[in-house]
Amino acid sequence: NAGVTQTPKFQVLKTGQSMTLQCAQDMNHEYMSWYRQDPGMGLRLIHYSVGAGITDQGEVPNGYNVSRSTTEDFPLRLLSAAPSQTSVYFCASSPTGWGYTFGSGTRLTVV
Amino acid sequence: RKEVEQDPGPFNVPEGATVAFNCTYSNSASQSFFWYRQDCRKEPKLLMSVYSSGNEDGRFTAQLNRASQYISLLIRDSKLSDSATYLCVVPSRDTGFQKLVFGTGTRLLVSP
Repeated sequence: NAGVTQTPKFQVLKTGQSMTLQCAQDMNHEYMSWYRQDPGMGLRLIHYSVGAGITDQGEVPNGYNVSRSTTEDFPLRLLSAAPSQTSVYFCASSPTGWGYTFGSGTRLTVV
Repeated sequence: RKEVEQDPGPFNVPEGATVAFNCTYSNSASQSFFWYRQDCRKEPKLLMSVYSSGNEDGRFTAQLNRASQYISLLIRDSKLSDSATYLCVVPSRDTGFQKLVFGTGTRLLVSP
């Protein structure tokens, strides 16, 4: 099992560019979430999904879109990158919504 | 008041010491709690779950005080490898356990 796989690991974007952060899990978990982590702040929930075809907004959803067409994949799209979106992004999955397994993260810099 | 509050530390302890961290939460309805461990520039990893009064796993003990709304993590016989940031996690008051609220973490440094 690969667990939760995130790509890319590092990315530099120019302001206004769009991109998709990929997240895939091979554990058949129903629950998946995207978090961002900034210095001095706890992980903050961006979007989450409780199963294929079902997504909902988290605490900081503005500027991000998600979709969940399959159980395995939960991509996060940045619509028009802004410097405020410079952060470390973590994808996580869980079979029950309790303990989550996290991916290794994507470090994004927007210049 | 923040939903989840932790002392950022760092807590500097020698190998073999016992150290405890507290985490306070504001949602009195929360039924379950979690401690995650995060190494520098790595992803968080689940350390312990706390569903009732407490939980013990080897050198690690998590305790819950519902009356005072805090959770503690006790580490006995500290190892160098315990150096990390410990994140307290509480389910959100709004929509249930899917939305987890993370504390900012307590940093532990264990020295030889």
